[in-house]
Amino acid sequence: AQSVSQHNHHVILSEAASLELGCNYSYGGTVNLFWYVQYPGQHLQLLLKYFSGDPLVKGIKGFEAEFIKSKFSFNLRKPSVQWSDTAEYFCAVNAVGSGGGADGLTFGKGTHLIIQP
Amino acid sequence: DTEVTQTPKHLVMGMTNKKSLKCEQHMGHRAMYWYKQKAKKPPELMFVYSYEKLSINESVPSRFSPECPNSSLLNLHLHALQPEDSALYLCASSQDRGGSIQYFGAGTRLSVL
Repeated sequence: AQSVSQHNHHVILSEAASLELGCNYSYGGTVNLFWYVQYPGQHLQLLLKYFSGDPLVKGIKGFEAEFIKSKFSFNLRKPSVQWSDTAEYFCAVNAVGSGGGADGLTFGKGTHLIIQP
Repeated sequence: DTEVTQTPKHLVMGMTNKKSLKCEQHMGHRAMYWYKQKAKKPPELMFVYSYEKLSINESVPSRFSPECPNSSLLNLHLHALQPEDSALYLCASSQDRGGSIQYFGAGTRLSVL
């Protein structure tokens, strides 16, 4: 079974600061990787995803993430954060199985990001 | 339209009650999911339905009974729940293939008294 580790549980930054949230996964096979965001009182929304190809992926709202296979990592970055980025961020994976069918997501514990004006 | 609709938004029930949570999507997705999210914790997978058939059950207690009556609807029937079952219950849907993006509903916040 796969597992996901997020290193930072609480992060506080000032507006315009750069952001990097760490995510490592554990799984012996191929995985698909996701970052989801949960704004206060709202549902989970997809920020970006990696399935294959270019390991540097760009998502919505200026976020990007880099898949480093040798490090089993998929870190999330944003060069300049805004107050509206205050939210809970979850890294998630699912395994690419031989059957190719739908599979649930395994989430990391989340990072609570607070941006101070 | 990438909307997954869950009803009700809030539910309070006693330990002897029977209630149901509903989830609906009209994106043509053939995979649907139930997750449970406790406060300040990540979502945890409960069930996966693929083409209206239960394909994954993550060892969930039988007091939770899922049902997929058609390709657009997913229910979660609740009976004899415990206070520790209080949580946010999330529904999601996706194309029925591995690696598809899952779209989440806003959830039903359940309190068991």
